[in-house]
Amino acid sequence: DAKTTQPTSMDCAEGRAANLPCNHSTISGNEYVYWYRQIHSQGPQYIIHGLKNNETNEMASLIITEDRKSSTLILPHATLRDTAVYYCIVRVEDNQGGKLIFGQGTELSVKP
Amino acid sequence: DVKVTQSSRYLVKRTGEKVFLECVQDMDHENMFWYRQDPGLGLRLIYFSYDVKMKEKGDIPEGYSVSREKKERFSLILESASTNQTSMYLCASRYVRKGNYGYTFGSGTRLTVV
Repeated sequence: DAKTTQPTSMDCAEGRAANLPCNHSTISGNEYVYWYRQIHSQGPQYIIHGLKNNETNEMASLIITEDRKSSTLILPHATLRDTAVYYCIVRVEDNQGGKLIFGQGTELSVKP
Repeated sequence: DVKVTQSSRYLVKRTGEKVFLECVQDMDHENMFWYRQDPGLGLRLIYFSYDVKMKEKGDIPEGYSVSREKKERFSLILESASTNQTSMYLCASRYVRKGNYGYTFGSGTRLTVV
């Protein structure tokens, strides 16, 4: 049970912003939202994470709604190298600090 | 940067063989994980380890075992390989500090059981 819902696939034009949505309506107050991506034939790569405030780093921005039931990952200027499967993950708590449960992810295709 | 190294990128084994998949991380991470990835099923957790000598079953442990004798090394063992264990296997490690549990993944081992 991944606890998140994402669109199966999305397209984005090169140079434009890619906005990837994620629903996590059952998220608990102390659970973080993590985003990873997986480029073909490679292991997943960490992108960003957040609790309730919006976050930005050199790769992306993360916008979390006030009720925390959904979030959006923004790649501000998508390039062809951003073509990948993007996973939105809610950290499941356990007595050792939690484990990640991966869903199906969104396959983002950046097109010239 | 933290590196998680999986010993083989591609592996072909015969049905019934005992198979060892090795994973080593170089940053003293406490936690280590083994996932498998199959088309249409995403990543599924097989086993994980919070520390040396410790192991916990994930969601699909059947047919697998693990070993963590040293902090940096986490081995996945297929006791008797079967064709339904043909998959991409991903190892990950994680540091543990309050509020941030960053995972680093290896590049994966694509195992084919014939």
